[in-house]
Amino acid sequence: DIQMTQSPSSLSASVGDRVTITCRASQSISTHLNWYQYKPGKAPKLLIYAASSLQSGVPSRFSGSGSGTDFTLTISSLQPEDFATYYCQQSYSIFTFGQGTRLEIK
Amino acid sequence: QVQLQESGPGLVKPSETLSLTCTVSNDSISRYYWSWIRQPPGKGLEWIGHIYYSGSTSYNPSLKSRLTISVDRSKSQFSLKLSSVTAADTAVYFCARRAGYYDGNNYYNWFDPWGQGTLVTVSS
Repeated sequence: DIQMTQSPSSLSASVGDRVTITCRASQSISTHLNWYQYKPGKAPKLLIYAASSLQSGVPSRFSGSGSGTDFTLTISSLQPEDFATYYCQQSYSIFTFGQGTRLEIK
Repeated sequence: QVQLQESGPGLVKPSETLSLTCTVSNDSISRYYWSWIRQPPGKGLEWIGHIYYSGSTSYNPSLKSRLTISVDRSKSQFSLKLSSVTAADTAVYFCARRAGYYDGNNYYNWFDPWGQGTLVTVSS
């Protein structure tokens, strides 16, 4: 299986901050990389697909980049509703997820 | 917009079979692939498997020997059965639609939308 490693595992930030989360694959996955936002008790939400395509309805402050093994999710200006856990997921082979990055209010 | 809702027992005894159903609303189940994903407490997300409306399936090899996913198009539902469960199968179980596109060279897939998830505890 392809292992997905996210960093950091947790992050404290303030409203208005620019935040970057990194995801690294154990082998090249081209751009077969998706990002999700998860809040406990709610359905996980797709933010970015195919590494850099913004899902319809997702605010433009979210962006994704990368290819091969290294990927980033960037939130340009944190809003109160963005405090959540973020997961990357590869779809190059049998689907696997990163361990998550918990984004907390500073 | 399409909605998914998981249902089933929240408590299952060790060695028994875990059974869950996902009901799809506001979309035809006769398109897309439909997936199950789980998250054990304090751990990451794990893809369990998926089914196409035709009934063809793909399973995570780590669970394949204990797993059955089926679809009932008449009820717009798909189901999960996991046999011989242990405490390690305690998790929040999500259902999700597997969507994607083909760009002429590659298929890109993602999960959207998801259900809210249901906690299943394996305990005597």
